[in-house]
Amino acid sequence: DAGVTQSPTHLIKTRGQHVTLRCSPISGHKSVSWYQQVLGQGPQFIFQYYEKEERGRGNFPDRFSARQFPNYSSELNVNALLLGDSALYLCASSLIGVSTNTGELFFGEGSRLTVL
Amino acid sequence: RKEVEQDPGPFNVPEGATVAFNCTYSNSASQSFFWYRQDCRKEPKLLMSVYSSGNEDGRFTAQLNRASQYISLLIRDSKLSDSATYLCVVGYNDYKLSFGAGTTVTVRA
Repeated sequence: DAGVTQSPTHLIKTRGQHVTLRCSPISGHKSVSWYQQVLGQGPQFIFQYYEKEERGRGNFPDRFSARQFPNYSSELNVNALLLGDSALYLCASSLIGVSTNTGELFFGEGSRLTVL
Repeated sequence: RKEVEQDPGPFNVPEGATVAFNCTYSNSASQSFFWYRQDCRKEPKLLMSVYSSGNEDGRFTAQLNRASQYISLLIRDSKLSDSATYLCVVGYNDYKLSFGAGTTVTVRA
């Protein structure tokens, strides 16, 4: 079975540009979360979507937006890119939310964004 | 103050050794606790959940101290394949996990 797939795997943008990152969750998973991981740091929560509704948002500016489609895939959009947006963007899927019983998120390999 | 703080290490240990490290969390309302493992330039993967009574999974033992708000992980009989970054993870709602910056462990032959 396919795991979480993300695209593109690597990309380079310049300041001020816009980027769209895509994620397909594990088949049967209805929840998708997005995390940003800066080099040397742990993943930081950006968004969670469940059944196409935003359920939670982390401490990120409005330049960051996301959506989930009827097939449960998701897009993360970042506008007006800054140098500090350079990071690994991880998508994770789970059956429902992050259950307090299991807490297991299944991560994709990430999209590595470099902003010049 | 960071939500989850960890000693970054690195912990450099020989094969067969025991290594232990902790993390602390700031939100006393936290409900769920985990250790994730992340190999170099790879995605994080769940290693084990952490329960109040403490729990073991093979060579790995996790402990939770709610009063002091810290979580520990102990690895016995270290293997070369245990070399990785270990992420301490805390959840207090159903949609967000808070990750520490990770503790790097290197096991040498």
